[in-house]
Amino acid sequence: DAGVTQSPTHLIKTRGQHVTLRCSPISGHKSVSWYQQVLGQGPQFIFQYYEKEERGRGNFPDRFSARQFPNYSSELNVNALLLGDSALYLCASSLAVEQFFGPGTRLTVL
Amino acid sequence: EDQVTQSPEALRLQEGESSSLNCSYTVSGLRGLFWYRQDPGKGPEFLFTLYSAGEEKEKERLKATLTKKESFLHITAPKPEDSATYLCAVQARNQGGSEKLVFGKGTKLTVNP
Repeated sequence: DAGVTQSPTHLIKTRGQHVTLRCSPISGHKSVSWYQQVLGQGPQFIFQYYEKEERGRGNFPDRFSARQFPNYSSELNVNALLLGDSALYLCASSLAVEQFFGPGTRLTVL
Repeated sequence: EDQVTQSPEALRLQEGESSSLNCSYTVSGLRGLFWYRQDPGKGPEFLFTLYSAGEEKEKERLKATLTKKESFLHITAPKPEDSATYLCAVQARNQGGSEKLVFGKGTKLTVNP
């Protein structure tokens, strides 16, 4: 069975630009969560969506937004990129309690 | 505020040398405690879920245990392929439907042949 997939794998942007990251959950999973992982730290929660509704939001600025589509895939958008947004962005899907992570998108902001 | 602290930050073992990783947590009503393994540049790989104090789970050379304040990941006779960062996370009850995980910083394990 296919796991969580994310695209793109790597991305390089400059300050002030906008970025869209994409995630496809495991088949049958209706919940998708987004996390940011800075080097040397554990993942930090950004958003959770369930059945296209936002279920939770972490302590991130309004530059970060997300949505979930009818097929349960999701997008994370970040506007006005800052150098500090450079990180590994992880998507996780869940059916019950356990969350299963994708490979991540490595975002570098120059 | 929910919090997870992992120790040590880094651990070097010889192949076959057993040890334990610690995860201390404070949470307003534990729904679940999770262990993940993460290889460099990759997403975390799910290992275990523990729900209540006294619970234990095993998988190959790994065994996870839970008390009311901490969890241990015991590694028995490790092999070089067990080298990775091990992450601990908690999920609290009563988050208004949110399934947010709060992670520790991880323990980087290196097993030398």
